[in-house]
Amino acid sequence: EAQVTQNPRYLITVTGKKLTVTCSQNMNHEYMSWYRQDPGLGLRQIYYSMNVEVTDKGDVPEGYKVSRKEKRNFPLILESPSPNQTSLYFCASSSNLDRLGNQPQHFGDGTRLSIL
Amino acid sequence: AQSVTQLDSHVSVSEGTPVLLRCNYSSSYSPSLFWYVQHPNKGLQLLLKYTSAATLVKGINGFEAEFKKSETSFHLTKPSAHMSDAAEYFCVVTVSSNTGKLIFGQGTTLQVKP
Repeated sequence: EAQVTQNPRYLITVTGKKLTVTCSQNMNHEYMSWYRQDPGLGLRQIYYSMNVEVTDKGDVPEGYKVSRKEKRNFPLILESPSPNQTSLYFCASSSNLDRLGNQPQHFGDGTRLSIL
Repeated sequence: AQSVTQLDSHVSVSEGTPVLLRCNYSSSYSPSLFWYVQHPNKGLQLLLKYTSAATLVKGINGFEAEFKKSETSFHLTKPSAHMSDAAEYFCVVTVSSNTGKLIFGQGTTLQVKP
């Protein structure tokens, strides 16, 4: 089954304790992206990656890091989490075939982070 | 600059009645537009997309949307609501064909009453 898998689904942690949210897709997609969802703000892009070893900032990259060493994986790293990073996070992927903008993105089920 | 406005944050309908979720967009070039649905505790699922082909787009689960350039609208409709349609709906526009960047509306929560 084609899917985007995020782990963990839920995490409660404390300020300053480094954490990583993993994202893996099995569709051989070139493009992957991270979003955060906050009430009343819709989804906002954190980082994206056009292909292996190619990453770029989205709209709200502060406090986050990513890496793309393999095509299927795109982990999101919070080096020193703070309470304002409490949010619902989504990973997404899509193919670069044709015009990238025409390709729908496939989303994971989300990771709910609470930073105390 | 590209932007998306969903005109209703909350819509309530009775089961079996029509659904209309409104979306206006702003784009400096010919946009790609999408509607996604989000059920509780789940990720976003694509309902339908417009990519400059037919202006009336049919999606899954009986949903449709019509692209109206003159009105810069992309409203989502369904003739008859089902209880399982209760969810949050997002209208999305592509900012760039080169980066895949998306702009999301703020979402519309659809409530379906028995």
